[in-house]
Amino acid sequence: QVQLQQWGAGLLKPSETLSLTCAVYGGSSSGFYWSWIRQPPGKGLEWIGEIDQSGSTNYNPSLKSRVTISVDTSKNQFSLKLTSMTAADTAMYYCAKGNCGGSCYPLGYWGQGSLVTVSS
Amino acid sequence: DIRMTQSPSSLSASVGDRVTISCRASQGINNYLAWFQQKPGKAPKSLIYAASSLQSGVPSRFSGSGSGTEFTLTISSLQPEDFATYYCQQYDSYPFTFGPGTKVDIK
Repeated sequence: QVQLQQWGAGLLKPSETLSLTCAVYGGSSSGFYWSWIRQPPGKGLEWIGEIDQSGSTNYNPSLKSRVTISVDTSKNQFSLKLTSMTAADTAMYYCAKGNCGGSCYPLGYWGQGSLVTVSS
Repeated sequence: DIRMTQSPSSLSASVGDRVTISCRASQGINNYLAWFQQKPGKAPKSLIYAASSLQSGVPSRFSGSGSGTEFTLTISSLQPEDFATYYCQQYDSYPFTFGPGTKVDIK
């Protein structure tokens, strides 16, 4: 049974840095990417980026200049940092883990979500 | 970026109905297509991967089909717990992108 639990600050001021962490419990860690996705209130889903256990990352170009995803394999955790936050970054942020059945896919299991609000 | 579109944007259906949702990619995605279900206030849940493979634990009334740029999610007999928003997502190329969603509500 794979579970993802995430945490981090929920209220930020403009220009501050978002910091979220996601812990992965259960299942194998090797060969999977761990991802971050966000969803503004009442809107659709936006993929932020991903990291594998070796630390190799892929980012959405729309956020690449402000995003850092890192991994701590000893704790089975990965983290998101997003700098220079504005009101436009207000969203529910989700972490996710890949899964493999007949083939592998990146967003098999999701965390519960963290609501992040940017307001002065 | 690959643009994903879905139709319809919303639909009303009754319990027991067969429901079909379409998803189109702006270019071929080699069947690297996933479907998710999201209920209000909850995280998305993975239903289908590789266009037609069912994630473990997902009821068999859900099925996916299609290839190239055109894909379909079918719910063979809608159940009360299936009223939700459904998203398609391509993972063929970066950045991964999602469709805008289809909201399924009660007629």
